[in-house]
Amino acid sequence: RKEVEQDPGPFNVPEGATVAFNCTYSNSASQSFFWYRQDCRKEPKLLMSVYSSGNEDGRFTAQLNRASQYISLLIRDSKLSDSATYLCVVKDSSASKIIFGSGTRLSIRP
Amino acid sequence: DAGVIQSPRHEVTEMGQEVTLRCKPISGHNSLFWYRQTMMRGLELLIYFNNNVPIDDSGMPEDRFSAKMPNASFSTLKIQPSEPRDSAVYFCASSRGQGAIFGSGTQLSVL
Repeated sequence: RKEVEQDPGPFNVPEGATVAFNCTYSNSASQSFFWYRQDCRKEPKLLMSVYSSGNEDGRFTAQLNRASQYISLLIRDSKLSDSATYLCVVKDSSASKIIFGSGTRLSIRP
Repeated sequence: DAGVIQSPRHEVTEMGQEVTLRCKPISGHNSLFWYRQTMMRGLELLIYFNNNVPIDDSGMPEDRFSAKMPNASFSTLKIQPSEPRDSAVYFCASSRGQGAIFGSGTQLSVL
């Protein structure tokens, strides 16, 4: 079983739609969680951290469910510029190991 | 801050040749990571260092791969001898406790 699993997609949604991704992780001792965004032929970039209480950054909302060991990302009012691959990231703070999921491809159509 | 700096940006070499990839982490970051990304396998963690010490190299695919971090501002990933299946984008990333910041990557092509 992979340490971090994501639906690879692609998700193809119209502009303005709301889209959600989930991600599951296997290590219950994981302490920190993030969502990264990667554009084609570019490096991954930190989108937002994920906190236990859930957190929001503009149109983006991230949530963590420790009991079920999954993380979610919700994008509201999607824009064409949101088209990218979204990577779920888990960190074991005791060892500082950072593991990436394989990513979910999102394509926003006009 | 210039961010994480990787060199070269692109490397084309022939099978059997030695390849050395270089990384300069962000000053003050105490963790450094080497990742490899391919379409088939996604982003794989090869090895990471804390305070210049290798912590986990279980992701290094074979003995042909080696990584060093002689000081806090420099790391290398070496492949000797290289093979066509090593072709990928190799990313270096550094961190200071939270999420990691990535370099622009090295696109490696082994012919």
